[in-house]
Amino acid sequence: GAVVSQHPSWVICKSGTSVKIECRSLDFQATTMFWYRQFPKQSLMLMATSNEGSKATYEQGVEKDKFLINHASLTLSTLTVTSAHPEDSSFYICSARGAGSYNSPLHFGNGTRLTVT
Amino acid sequence: AQTVTQSQPEMSVQEAETVTLSCTYDTSESDYYLFWYKQPPSRQMILVIRQEAYKQQNATENRFSVNFQKAAKSFSLKISDSQLGDAAMYFCAYGGNTGTASKLTFGTGTRLQVTL
Repeated sequence: GAVVSQHPSWVICKSGTSVKIECRSLDFQATTMFWYRQFPKQSLMLMATSNEGSKATYEQGVEKDKFLINHASLTLSTLTVTSAHPEDSSFYICSARGAGSYNSPLHFGNGTRLTVT
Repeated sequence: AQTVTQSQPEMSVQEAETVTLSCTYDTSESDYYLFWYKQPPSRQMILVIRQEAYKQQNATENRFSVNFQKAAKSFSLKISDSQLGDAAMYFCAYGGNTGTASKLTFGTGTRLQVTL
């Protein structure tokens, strides 16, 4: 089945530094990837939609200059949290949809737990 | 904008029994998709079942089935013969049609406990 790999699975960084999270589709080409954020015991909130070869579309309230998204290839999207602060600590999950029908199933990565100290 | 509401923060069911998780949603679209995802402690999101709004027949996947009431905008999940491995957070999700189908809106989740 389709596999989405997310790396790292957890990361601890100091306040003010930047962290990059990778989301890879291992056995299919992902024209669109989605980045979600999940606070403890809460739901997943969509942050942005990443389309290969074009700029990401951010949801209202998400700072595009703080959460940089790059989707340079059909198998890789990256989320960079710039100048991280403790309030950015959260669980970040990516999902990917293959090329073809818009209603093809989504595949989720295993998530990245970010802790900013 | 679409909204998804799960009114049961927590549910408990005995092993081998049946439990129903509730979900309601609000949309102005006529064609859309509804999903139930399971998130175990590993945090991996696992698709449980999917329903296309244009289909009147309720989706079924082994022990999992839905009761889709389009007019009432209700989409409940029934788990039959509950197993210990079913314990997890369950999220109801809405996906619009065309290009927004994959842009899911999630409910707040229901934590399901399965007891012996």
